[in-house]
Amino acid sequence: QLQESGPGLVKPSETLSLTCTVSGGSVSSGDHYWSWIRQPPGKGLEWIGSISYSGSTNYNPSLKSRVTISLDTSKNQFSLKLTSVTAADTAAHYCAKNMADWGQGTLVTVSS
Amino acid sequence: DIVMTQTPLPLSVTPGQPAAVSCKSSQSLLRSDGKTCLYWYLQKAGEPPQLLIYEVSNRFSGVPDRFSGSGSGTDFTLKISRVEAEDVGIYYCMQCMEFPFTFGQGTQLEIK
Repeated sequence: QLQESGPGLVKPSETLSLTCTVSGGSVSSGDHYWSWIRQPPGKGLEWIGSISYSGSTNYNPSLKSRVTISLDTSKNQFSLKLTSVTAADTAAHYCAKNMADWGQGTLVTVSS
Repeated sequence: DIVMTQTPLPLSVTPGQPAAVSCKSSQSLLRSDGKTCLYWYLQKAGEPPQLLIYEVSNRFSGVPDRFSGSGSGTDFTLKISRVEAEDVGIYYCMQCMEFPFTFGQGTQLEIK
């Protein structure tokens, strides 16, 4: 199971930080990759990026300059940081394992 | 980026009747390992997307056998043999052939 956590409100120009806690398996298990996906209210899905069990990352070029995804094996978590946010970054954010098992999602609103 | 185009966008079906959603990719999704990385999801209202089909035609764990996927190259189809009320929601295709992963616009299925 996966569970997202983090602030639901972020101010413009600040950094969005979310954590996904994984239970029932290890983030460092082989052949797994861990992803973040977002969905603006009433809109479709956008893949943000993924990190492999070994720590290699791939990011959406549309966000690449602002995104960092990392693993914390000691806490069995992975995290998302998105810098310099604007209102356009307001979205439900989901974490996923192998794009198969998804967390329930958390809404992050960017507003002053 | 690979563009995923779904048709139709709204789909209205009588319970017990079949339904089909088409997904076309802007380039072939056949990988060098011989696998074709095309997934189908259903997102019910207020819920995260749930994986239905992976690698074109493989039903994910717990998915009813009334759901089936087919296709190859750039043309793919999700079929529901007999639509039930619980199938209402938005259906998305997604390609994982290459980064960035990309999704179709989503097909809203409603019951007549």
